[in-house]
Amino acid sequence: EPEVTQTPSHQVTQMGQEVILRCVPISNHLYFYWYRQILGQKVEFLVSFYNNEISEKSEIFDDQFSVERPDGSNFTLKIRSTKLEDSAMYFCASSVLLGASNTGELFFGEGSRLTVL
Amino acid sequence: QKEVEQNSGPLSVPEGAIASLNCTYSDRGSQSFFWYRQYSGKSPELIMSIYSNGDKEDGRFTAQLNKASQYVSLLIRDSQPSDSATYLCAVNREASKIIFGSGTRLSIRP
Repeated sequence: EPEVTQTPSHQVTQMGQEVILRCVPISNHLYFYWYRQILGQKVEFLVSFYNNEISEKSEIFDDQFSVERPDGSNFTLKIRSTKLEDSAMYFCASSVLLGASNTGELFFGEGSRLTVL
Repeated sequence: QKEVEQNSGPLSVPEGAIASLNCTYSDRGSQSFFWYRQYSGKSPELIMSIYSNGDKEDGRFTAQLNKASQYVSLLIRDSQPSDSATYLCAVNREASKIIFGSGTRLSIRP
């Protein structure tokens, strides 16, 4: 069964360092997303991406964050100058179009746990 | 006002009974509604999607949508211990901005 894959599963970094989280969405999906979940809290929307550009972003997704689709398969989230409060599980997700509409049905990867020390 | 509201629980239901989970949302323009299940330490998994008023059934699960009341619910019949998880309600506000509630913890007791 097709699945969204994420790497790394766990990354530990020092405050102020840059981190890149990688995702391979399901191959026929055209919308890609990043969410984060701080331990014990809700799943928070960060950004959605379609047709090689950001479709929507939340207030959390400030200049510290960027996304990129560097090739035909990978979708990355870059966090510049990490802060302690960036420690969370980061989930990548993708969804398929039905006709011209986004179904909104998200398929999640297993997540990348980021620990900032 | 929270965009998507759920009772955090825990909701404790005896095995074999019906579990009823509720969700309200604030944006009347929302078009699509979803229920996800999240086991501890795992990623959310889609259970049901519903797009129009009324009921939608899939196996032991029934989703109910009432747009006038801005209310979505999930019924789980014949609850099993494996149903113990956090259930997340999600709402598609914009075309590609799906917002999650904080989830309801469900515990199925033997």
